[in-house]
Amino acid sequence: GAVVSQHPSRVICKSGTSVKIECRSLDFQATTMFWYRQFPKQSLMLMATSNEGSKATYEQGVEKDKFLINHASLTLSTLTVTSAHPEDSSFYICSARTSGVGEQFFGPGTRLTVL
Amino acid sequence: GENVEQHPSTLSVQEGDSAVIKCTYSDSASNYFPWYKQELGKGPQLIIDIRSNVGEKKDQRIAVTLNKTAKHFSLHITETQPEDSAVYFCAASRTSYDKVIFGPGTSLSVIP
Repeated sequence: GAVVSQHPSRVICKSGTSVKIECRSLDFQATTMFWYRQFPKQSLMLMATSNEGSKATYEQGVEKDKFLINHASLTLSTLTVTSAHPEDSSFYICSARTSGVGEQFFGPGTRLTVL
Repeated sequence: GENVEQHPSTLSVQEGDSAVIKCTYSDSASNYFPWYKQELGKGPQLIIDIRSNVGEKKDQRIAVTLNKTAKHFSLHITETQPEDSAVYFCAASRTSYDKVIFGPGTSLSVIP
């Protein structure tokens, strides 16, 4: 089956620093990748949709200058949380989809803790 | 935009019993309804999905039903096992290619 990986699985950083999270599709080409954010005991909230080679489309209320998304290749998308603050602490999950197949395959998530 | 509601928020059943989770959606243009299982500290996994041209779909112990007129869809798990314990999310989107909107989730506990 299709596998999506995320790195790192956990990251702890100081307030004001930037953190980069990678999302990779290991055995398929991901024409579209999605980034979600999940607070404890809550649902997944879509942050943005990125298509390979194009600018990401952000959901309403998500600051695109704070959450930088790059989808430069068909197997890699990155999410950079710039100038992170404690309120950015959350579980970040990516998913990937290939053209011709509608199903999204989810990564294992990245737990971000900002001190 | 689409809004998905889900009930109950928590569900506890005895091993071997059935579990039912119900969802409603608001966007009449939605045609794709996936269900995900999320274990603690992991990403969600698709367990079954249904499209609007089908009223029911079954895969072993899991079944989904869809009432497009009422904008309701449900997940049924029969003969529950302890390993079914997880958070289950229903979701909706216009097509399987569009963004998916998640419901708030149901925490299912199966008691041995």
